Amino acid sequence: SQKIEQNSEALNIQEGKTATLTCNYTNYSPAYLQWYRQDPGRGPVFLLLIRENEKEKRKERLKVTFDTTLKQSLFHITASQPADSATYLCALDYRTGANNLFFGTGTRLTVIP
Amino acid sequence: DTEVTQTPKHLVMGMTNKKSLKCEQHMGHRAMYWYKQKAKKPPELMFVYSYEKLSINESVPSRFSPECPNSSLLNLHLHALQPEDSALYLCASSQGDRNYGYTFGSGTRLTVV
Repeated sequence: SQKIEQNSEALNIQEGKTATLTCNYTNYSPAYLQWYRQDPGRGPVFLLLIRENEKEKRKERLKVTFDTTLKQSLFHITASQPADSATYLCALDYRTGANNLFFGTGTRLTVIP
Repeated sequence: DTEVTQTPKHLVMGMTNKKSLKCEQHMGHRAMYWYKQKAKKPPELMFVYSYEKLSINESVPSRFSPECPNSSLLNLHLHALQPEDSALYLCASSQGDRNYGYTFGSGTRLTVV
């Protein structure tokens, strides 16, 4: 069965540094890969989407890469701020008949002032 | 309106009760979803409605019964739940086009006693 693992359960980083989160999957590659932010007790908030034929996507301080050979996506937050502290989830969308997202285990990021 | 609204925000119910969770969106999204999320775990898909028709049921017990009265509303009817069903229940919607992310509600925190 497909496994989706995010590199660490928790990541602490100093304010101003770049946070790098990893999403690894086994078996077959998804057609689309998404990243979400989730705050405690709230629903996930969509951040970025990258397609299987794209290498990199950027949005403001966020950057996502997608390497189907390594079966890995990296999510970067540059110039991190305490307000970036949250859990970040990757989600994989396979080209099947119906819409369905499979979520990774999540990484809880803490940005220390 | 760019939100998914879920009610109630919190619900405590006994194992013999019947209750319903409600979800509403007015973004014209044609796909709607129910996810279940336990503490420190990723969201798990329960049901998908596409164009008001149930397209995915991820082997969810019959004590959970979804309903999609129209393209803007999604209900989850609950009956004879178990304490292990206590979780955050998330509703989401999407355009149905895979090039866009999902919009999640804030969830209903359900406690079964």
